[in-house]
Amino acid sequence: GAGVSQTPSNKVTEKGKYVELRCDPISGHTALYWYRQSLGQGPEFLIYFQGTGAADDSGLPNDRFFAVRPEGSVSTLKIQRTERGDSAVYLCASSLTGMGNTEAFFGQGTRLTVV
Amino acid sequence: AQKITQTQPGMFVQEKEAVTLDCTYDTSDPSYGLFWYKQPSSGEMIFLIYQGSYDQQNATEGRYSLNFQKARKSANLVISASQLGDSAMYFCAMREGIRGNTPLVFGKGTRLSVIA
Repeated sequence: GAGVSQTPSNKVTEKGKYVELRCDPISGHTALYWYRQSLGQGPEFLIYFQGTGAADDSGLPNDRFFAVRPEGSVSTLKIQRTERGDSAVYLCASSLTGMGNTEAFFGQGTRLTVV
Repeated sequence: AQKITQTQPGMFVQEKEAVTLDCTYDTSDPSYGLFWYKQPSSGEMIFLIYQGSYDQQNATEGRYSLNFQKARKSANLVISASQLGDSAMYFCAMREGIRGNTPLVFGKGTRLSVIA
């Protein structure tokens, strides 16, 4: 597609359930990023992929959060045993390379609500 | 330590006037890139402008310019001739290291409101 695509756009889940959020980056982009954005805050870095490997996962808040990118394209962010505090907009971004001067293009985000 | 600081939670500007949104950053890496993004109420993040740490001149993109003061570690965004459609959240971000493998780190943002 032309831009970064995230599905679903909205997800409501019950506390304790497992959720998967999908990101389809721009074709050919090797770098992929996941961010979490709470209301009124800036995007908070979660994890960064270069190709298939996680180059930096230091932003994942705890072991309930996990992300994969098995073929170097689509990525899935997985959250186990969801908590109400996980409610936020999850943003995915991709860039052509991970080089310092390349801009990141963002998807529309997935709004996760844990009830 | 916070790497990106945006001290203005909210700003107002009259339509057609210029406005400056402040951003200071903290890094010990001599190679880094600075970015500004706009986030309207629709939620999408729109890239506006980029400044590299080795760039000699301030970046400009249409009505957007970046006032880069390296010694002061500031990268303020200047929007000229403000339009109602400029009302949005604005985020400053930095990526350290020119070789990559580092993520974009964002500030908390500034909400700009353009008044008719």
